Amino acid sequence: KAGVTQTPRYLIKTRGQQVTLSCSPISGHRSVSWYQQTPGQGLQFLFEYFSETQRNKGNFPGRFSGRQFSNSRSEMNVSTLELGDSALYLCASSLSVTGGGEQYFGPGTRLTVT
Amino acid sequence: QKEVEQDPGPLSVPEGAIVSLNCTYSNSAFQYFMWYRQYSRKGPELLMYTYSSGNKEDGRFTAQVDKSSKYISLFIRDSQPSDSATYLCAMSARRNAGNMLTFGGGTRLMVKP
Repeated sequence: KAGVTQTPRYLIKTRGQQVTLSCSPISGHRSVSWYQQTPGQGLQFLFEYFSETQRNKGNFPGRFSGRQFSNSRSEMNVSTLELGDSALYLCASSLSVTGGGEQYFGPGTRLTVT
Repeated sequence: QKEVEQDPGPLSVPEGAIVSLNCTYSNSAFQYFMWYRQYSRKGPELLMYTYSSGNKEDGRFTAQVDKSSKYISLFIRDSQPSDSATYLCAMSARRNAGNMLTFGGGTRLMVKP
């Protein structure tokens, strides 16, 4: 079974631009979560989508948004990029419907904001 | 203070040693506990998943959870140079709360041949 895939793998953007990242979960997984990983803050939860609805949201500004499609694929968008948004953005999928289940991560998208 | 604390290391051990990695947490709602391994510039790989207190063994890896002490551990037996990576503990709360994980900061492990 294919794992979680993320595209693109690397991105370089300029301050003020916006960016869209894509995630395809493991087949059959309907829960998709997004995390930001930085050297200073570690791995931080951004949001979770389940059946096209945002189920949980972390403590990030409104510039960070996401959505999920009917095939469970998900996108996240960051608008008005800041230097501090440079990070590895990770997507994880889970088979668990109610929560507390195992989560499997993709390889990440490394975003550099200049 | 962070909800999940983890010694950042680095932890350096000789090949064949038993490695002990630990996390402490403050949120008593956490019930599901995971350990991930992350190689440089890769995504985290799920190693162990446990629910509530107790032990779980999988090959060279043993995960322990002590909810009364809010303390979890990962033991690696017969450590290999290929085990050199950052190890992250992660936790989530009760069922029906969704799949939101709270991570420790990670411990960098180096296994020397």
